[in-house]
Amino acid sequence: EAGVAQSPRYKIIEKRQSVAFWCNPISGHATLYWYQQILGQGPKLLIQFQNNGVVDDSQLPKDRFSAERLKGVDSTLKIQPAKLEDSAVYLCASSPGWGQGDTGELFFGEGSRLTVL
Amino acid sequence: GESVGLHLPTLSVQEGDNSIINCAYSNSASDYFIWYKQESGKGPQFIIDIRSNMDKRQGQRVTVLLNKTVKHLSLQIAATQPGDSAVYFCAENNNAGNMLTFGGGTRLMVKP
Repeated sequence: EAGVAQSPRYKIIEKRQSVAFWCNPISGHATLYWYQQILGQGPKLLIQFQNNGVVDDSQLPKDRFSAERLKGVDSTLKIQPAKLEDSAVYLCASSPGWGQGDTGELFFGEGSRLTVL
Repeated sequence: GESVGLHLPTLSVQEGDNSIINCAYSNSASDYFIWYKQESGKGPQFIIDIRSNMDKRQGQRVTVLLNKTVKHLSLQIAATQPGDSAVYFCAENNNAGNMLTFGGGTRLMVKP
């Protein structure tokens, strides 16, 4: 079974530039998450989608970050304009759903490492 | 590859010894917990989970213990191997928003 695919794996930009990350979840997974992981810290949830709807985006800095999952499958996370503190690994994860009997296990991609200079 | 956890608490163990990694969680309403392993340059990988109606669960070489009284979770790895070297995160979920909240992580280093 193919895992969660993310691209690009690495991106270096200058501050105030824009960047976009793409994620393709495991086939059939209804729920998709974007996490930000700053070096030395645990992943922090940015946004959660259920199919093509947003479940939670309370920790997404909406003045510069945006995300969409228009057809309920793959997703794009955009940062514009980038700041130095946005340097991090952006992890995408998916899960089949959430309900009684679901394990709640998230399947993570390998991440997109962003460096803002 | 670049390290995931340069400034994380570190546990160093000898190959073959048992490892115990601890985690304190904050939300007493959390009812589901997961341990993840993250190797350098990779995404977190599921190890084992436990629901709040249990206090112990065993997998292959791993055991998770849950103490709800003191909001403490531990991961025990038996006969630790070099391949176990990684950063370990606990995560909690309160089933209200279906969101996992991750702890700060512990770096496990296995000495041959």
